[in-house]
Amino acid sequence: SQTIHQWPATLVQPVGSPLSLECTVEGTSNPNLYWYRQAAGRGLQLLFYSVGIGQISSEVPQNLSASRPQDRQFILSSKKLLLSDSGFYLCAWSVVNSNQPQHFGDGTRLSIL
Amino acid sequence: QKEVEQNSGPLSVPEGAIASLNCTYSDRGSQSFFWYRQYSGKSPELIMSIYSNGDKEDGRFTAQLNKASQYVSLLIRDSQPSDSATYLCAVYHGSGNTGKLIFGQGTTLQVKP
Repeated sequence: SQTIHQWPATLVQPVGSPLSLECTVEGTSNPNLYWYRQAAGRGLQLLFYSVGIGQISSEVPQNLSASRPQDRQFILSSKKLLLSDSGFYLCAWSVVNSNQPQHFGDGTRLSIL
Repeated sequence: QKEVEQNSGPLSVPEGAIASLNCTYSDRGSQSFFWYRQYSGKSPELIMSIYSNGDKEDGRFTAQLNKASQYVSLLIRDSQPSDSATYLCAVYHGSGNTGKLIFGQGTTLQVKP
């Protein structure tokens, strides 16, 4: 069966510091991968998605970036965090090229001080 | 008009009652529809998928789809306090790898003992 791992679970970072969140998927090949952010009491905002290694599509202009160095690894990064980057970051995967649902990792709660 | 709309609630029902959660969507060509449950502080969990008009039952959950009215609903029978959560409706717009899963803002359900 497929599993998705996301870490760390919680993170407290000062404004202006860098960020690296990692997500890996097991049990499937060539998945579509997604990064979402959910602000407190708000809906899911799609940040990035990837349909293959090195292929990244950005949904929202911001100071975040994403990379997919391996088939089942997806990384969310920032060079300098802003207060507005606080939120619940979720990684998700889905079967490639289909209308199948997305499956989420446990998320990372990021607090910027 | 939002692409996927849900009443934010909270929807409050007594234990043992039927909870009815509703969702409308704007893209008439959508083919795939999903319901996710999100407990406070946790990531969304897929609970139902529906692709054809009509009803689909899984245990205490029934998803209903009416493509002509662009309406999808989730019924929870014999509601339990453990069903208290935010329920997210998600609709797949487009097809294959060019499509996107669009989430509603979610409806908060409170089941009172």
